This record gives sequence, structure tokens and C-alpha cells, in this order.
Amino acid sequence: KAGVTQTPRYLIKTRGQQVTLSCSPISGHRSVSWYQQTPGQGLQFLFEYFSETQRNKGNFPGRFSGRQFSNSRSEMNVSTLELGDSALYLCASSSTGGFKDYGYTFGSGTRLTVV
Amino acid sequence: GESVGLHLPTLSVQEGDNSIINCAYSNSASDYFIWYKQESGKGPQFIIDIRSNMDKRQGQRVTVLLNKTVKHLSLQIAATQPGDSAVYFCAETSGSRLTFGEGTQLTVNP
Repeated sequence: KAGVTQTPRYLIKTRGQQVTLSCSPISGHRSVSWYQQTPGQGLQFLFEYFSETQRNKGNFPGRFSGRQFSNSRSEMNVSTLELGDSALYLCASSSTGGFKDYGYTFGSGTRLTVV
Repeated sequence: GESVGLHLPTLSVQEGDNSIINCAYSNSASDYFIWYKQESGKGPQFIIDIRSNMDKRQGQRVTVLLNKTVKHLSLQIAATQPGDSAVYFCAETSGSRLTFGEGTQLTVNP
């Protein structure tokens, strides 16, 4: 059974640009959550999508947005990139948004570097 | 190689020793907690969980203790092996989101 797939694995962007990251969940999973991981702030929740609707949102500025498609694949977009957006972006999928019993599984992340 | 009570950002132990990793959580209403292991270049991997109506749960070589009075979790790893070297995080759940604690980098020396 394939795991959570995040593409690309690495990305370098310039300040002011925008970026789109992709997450393909485990087959059958309808919930996709996104997290940002930095050395200073640790792992922080960005948002969760379930059946194409944003169901939960963390405390990030509006430059961070996401969407989910009918096949449950999700994308997140960051506009007007800042140096502080350099981070590992992780997504996690589960069948319903629940945890262990619902197969909550993380991908390996996309490493974004803003220069 | 043990640390009880205090969260440490790094912990170094000898192979075969027992390790204790501590974590504080913030939300007294949280009812479910998870420990994750994150190896370099990978996402967090589930280790063990515990519900708030329990104070101890054991898995294979791992034990989680929950102290709701002081909002503290600990992860005990028995007979630590080199493959246990990683960053360990505790997380509390709130709806469909995880709130992670500060990680501890565990290094196992042969």
C-alpha cells in the first residue's frame, strides 16, 4: 500500500515568489492536513481538508492557502515568500481526520528554502 | 542516560540503557496524546498513544506515562538501540489537529 506522497522533495525559491506544494494521500483517505516544521517554532498545524472543504485552520497568515481535489489530493500555496517561510512542509492523511485508528500517516515532506 | 521530569532538547545514552524522554503539554482538555519518532529526512512516525483516562500504556520496548495533574508525558524506551536515534515529539490532539511539543534529539552511542 503506497504511503503519503509529497512532491517535490526539495525546492528553492526567491523572496517574493509563490510556491505550490502537492500531497497525494493514502488511497481511500479523505482527510489531508498540512504542518510546517522549523527549528525555531517546531511543528505547527497549518490546515486540514476533508472532502474538498477546509475543516480546520491554524494561525498562519493569509499568504498560506490550500485546496483539495475530488480525488483527495491536496495542494498548499504560499504567496509572496519570505525568508522565514523556509521550512519542511509535511502533510498527513487519514481516512476521516482521526488519528491512530484512522491511519493518520505523515509524508516525508517538502523542504522549501527561500533565498 | 535518564532524565525525569525536565524536557531536554538532546539526550545521549549508551546502547542497552533505558531512555526517558519528557514532554509538557498545554491543553488540560486534551483527551488523547501521541508520541512520534522522526528520523532524518522523514516525516513523524507513530510510536505509541495514550488516552486521558489512562496513566500508563505499554508497547514493545516503549512505555508512555501520563500525569494530568502537571500536564506531563514521558516516553520510556527500554534497552535503547542505535536504530532508536531520532527526534521524539509528543503531541496532543484537538479535533483533527495535532499540537506538538518540543522535540528531543535522542542519540544512542554504541
